Amino acid sequence: DVKVTQSSRYLVKRTGEKVFLECVQDMDHENMFWYRQDPGLGLRLIYFSYDVKMKEKGDIPEGYSVSREKKERFSLILESASTNQTSMYLCASSPTPLPQHFGDGTRLSIL
Amino acid sequence: GIQVEQSPPDLILQEGANSTLRCNFSDSVNNLQWFHQNPWGQLINLFYIPSGTKQNGRLSATTVATERYSLLYISSSQTTDSGVYFCAVVISGTYKYIFGTGTRLKVLA
Repeated sequence: DVKVTQSSRYLVKRTGEKVFLECVQDMDHENMFWYRQDPGLGLRLIYFSYDVKMKEKGDIPEGYSVSREKKERFSLILESASTNQTSMYLCASSPTPLPQHFGDGTRLSIL
Repeated sequence: GIQVEQSPPDLILQEGANSTLRCNFSDSVNNLQWFHQNPWGQLINLFYIPSGTKQNGRLSATTVATERYSLLYISSSQTTDSGVYFCAVVISGTYKYIFGTGTRLKVLA
């Protein structure tokens, strides 16, 4: 079974902090994704990566950056956290350009 | 941009009941998937169904691409079916999913 592991289930940070969300997959997939999920808005794509060191902006990249130094790991970075970034963050991986396997999510609160 | 609308937004069922969830989309798509997010937040891929009908146990799905809708059928519902059901579509010519806002299902014992 594919396993996509997100480093934290719950995270509380303060405004202005630099926040790192980590995601690791164990199936050697080329493609990895970061989404955020908000009530009434569904899932929205922040960034995706189709290879090591390669990335593409999604629909809402503002305020975020990503890093993919190794194939199995895709990190989402909030450069200076703000309260409107309080959300559920979901990572996914896939052998195709469309997300197939999701992690359990990180519920991030910015105070 | 493309609109993906799901109905109903909320649904409460007694265990054993059947239900139909609907996904309407406003543009031509070349991919459609149904996902289930359980109460713990885990998102599971149910069906990849750009057209036609598929069945997996008590769940089945039908997509009529020419009429721009897809249906997810849940028969003999169980409490473990509770959660949010999302459809996601890919606009023709792109590689990006657009998610609907979901149907929140609660199955009562």
